[in-house]
Amino acid sequence: NAGVTQTPKFRVLKTGQSMTLLCAQDMNHEYMYWYRQDPGMGLRLIHYSVGEGTTAKGEVPDGYNVSRLKKQNFLLGLESAAPSQTSVYFCASSYSKGDPYFGPGTRLTVT
Amino acid sequence: KNQVEQSPQSLIILEGKNCTLQCNYTVSPFSNLRWYKQDTGRGPVSLTIMTFSENTKSNGRYTATLDADTKQSSLHITASQLSDSASYICVVRPVRNQFYFGTGTSLTVIP
Repeated sequence: NAGVTQTPKFRVLKTGQSMTLLCAQDMNHEYMYWYRQDPGMGLRLIHYSVGEGTTAKGEVPDGYNVSRLKKQNFLLGLESAAPSQTSVYFCASSYSKGDPYFGPGTRLTVT
Repeated sequence: KNQVEQSPQSLIILEGKNCTLQCNYTVSPFSNLRWYKQDTGRGPVSLTIMTFSENTKSNGRYTATLDADTKQSSLHITASQLSDSASYICVVRPVRNQFYFGTGTSLTVIP
């Protein structure tokens, strides 16, 4: 099993550009999450999904959109990137009451 | 406001020594508490999970304790190794499906 994988690992964007981060899991988990991690702050939830076709906002959803068209995939979109979105993004997945399994992260820099 | 606070923020110890990391939380109602290890440039990996009724749980050289009355947890690392150098994150889950992350303790083990 590959677990949770994220694509890409690194990305540099200019302000105003758009991009999509892809998360894939092969553990048949119902729940998937997108977090961002910034220095001096705990992981903060951006959006999450409790099943295929459903998404919900987390703590810091502004500027991001998500889609869960397939159970194994969870996409995070930035429509118009801003420097404040420079961060490390982690995807995670879990059973409904289980430990979240985290991906390796995507380091995004917006200039 | 639900919060998870960890101390110390950073710690440097000699290889072979023991150390204890602290986690205080105000999350309520409480479901469980997890400790994660995050190596530099990697995603967090679960070390232990403790429910309300558990006081102590071990995973090799890692021992977690929980006092649900005082809302405190600790992670004790015995006979530290260079590979223990990482950030250790305390994560508390209330009854509903959400996780509250501490900011982590950065541990450096030096030879």
